[in-house]
Amino acid sequence: DVKVTQSSRYLVKRTGEKVFLECVQDMDHENMFWYRQDPGLGLRLIYFSYDVKMKEKGDIPEGYSVSREKKERFSLILESASTNQTSMYLCASSTYYEQYFGPGTRLTVT
Amino acid sequence: AQSVTQPDIHITVSEGASLELRCNYSYGATPYLFWYVQSPGQGLQLLLKYFSGDTLVQGIKGFEAEFKRSQSSFNLRKPSVHWSDAAEYFCAVNSGGSNYKLTFGKGTLLTVNP
Repeated sequence: DVKVTQSSRYLVKRTGEKVFLECVQDMDHENMFWYRQDPGLGLRLIYFSYDVKMKEKGDIPEGYSVSREKKERFSLILESASTNQTSMYLCASSTYYEQYFGPGTRLTVT
Repeated sequence: AQSVTQPDIHITVSEGASLELRCNYSYGATPYLFWYVQSPGQGLQLLLKYFSGDTLVQGIKGFEAEFKRSQSSFNLRKPSVHWSDAAEYFCAVNSGGSNYKLTFGKGTLLTVNP
């Protein structure tokens, strides 16, 4: 079975802090994705990566950056967290169109 | 641009009743279509997918979906709903181009009454 893990299920950070969300997949997938999920807005793509060190902006990249130094790991970085970044963050991986999701990280910025 | 519409934000059904969740998509070529389910506080799990061939596809947990090109629809069905089916359901279509992105609908929340 494909397994996608995220470093934290719940995270509370203060405004202005630098925040790292980690995602690891164990299926040697080329593609990895970061989404944020908010009520009534569905899933919105923040960034995705199609290879090591390769990345592309999604629909809402502002305020975020990413890092992919190894194929299995994709990190989402909030350089200076703000309250409007309070959300559920979902990571996914794929080798084709079928995406496999991690359990999510619920981030609260106070 | 590709888009997915799930017209129903919230649906309530009684346990044992049949279920149909609607999904309409906008895509220029042959779409790849997916239904995902999300239980409270969890990530998304793939229920079923359509790439080509038979337009009626079977998935996990007793779900099925029918692709209708003429209606640009991919509705999800289940003949008899169980209380454990209460969750949020997302329809998705491939975003096109050379990457493997998906475009998701905004979801339908299913409540199951005993």
